Amino acid sequence: GAVVSQHPSRVICKSGTSVKIECRSLDFQATTMFWYRQFPKQSLMLMATSNEGSKATYEQGVEKDKFLINHASLTLSTLTVTSAHPEDSSFYICSARDNLGGGAGNEQFFGPGTRLTVL
Amino acid sequence: AQKITQTQPGMFVQEKEAVTLDCTYDTSDQSYGLFWYKQPSSGEMIFLIYQGSYDEQNATEGRYSLNFQKARKSANLVISASQLGDSAMYFCAMTLNQAGTALIFGKGTTLSVSS
Repeated sequence: GAVVSQHPSRVICKSGTSVKIECRSLDFQATTMFWYRQFPKQSLMLMATSNEGSKATYEQGVEKDKFLINHASLTLSTLTVTSAHPEDSSFYICSARDNLGGGAGNEQFFGPGTRLTVL
Repeated sequence: AQKITQTQPGMFVQEKEAVTLDCTYDTSDQSYGLFWYKQPSSGEMIFLIYQGSYDEQNATEGRYSLNFQKARKSANLVISASQLGDSAMYFCAMTLNQAGTALIFGKGTTLSVSS
């Protein structure tokens, strides 16, 4: 099946710093990628939809100035957590749909996730 | 708006037994897809099974089957012959059959399989 990678897998940073997380589709093109956030023992909450070449669409309650999303190519989307604080500590997961897959099918593939800890 | 409801926070089953994880959904759209994912403690999301809204047959994938009751808007996951390695969090999710739409997830069910 298709592969989505995320980097880094784990990051620890100091409060006030910015952290960039990369999401790459390795063997397919993805016009659309999605960013989710997951707190321990909770569900995945959609943060934003990342569209190649255009601005991301953010879900209600997600600060777009804090969570900067850039989808510069058909295989790469980045999420930057700016001025991170301890409450931003979470598990961040990206997913991508295979352009050629069409419909819903099973063509949405998840990255392995990034565990962010802000001290 | 779409909504997924999983009412079982935790389920316990013994090895080799079958278990059903409940999922109901709500949408006014006619064309959609339903998914089940497994998330072990490592955090990776493992795709298990998919059911399209127009599929007349229930989906099956090895030990996994999806009991699709469209009129009741339910999409329960049945795991036959449970194994210790099945212990994980299980999420039901749905998406509309439109380009660019995301998966919306239920709250999840933690399955514990004992020997």
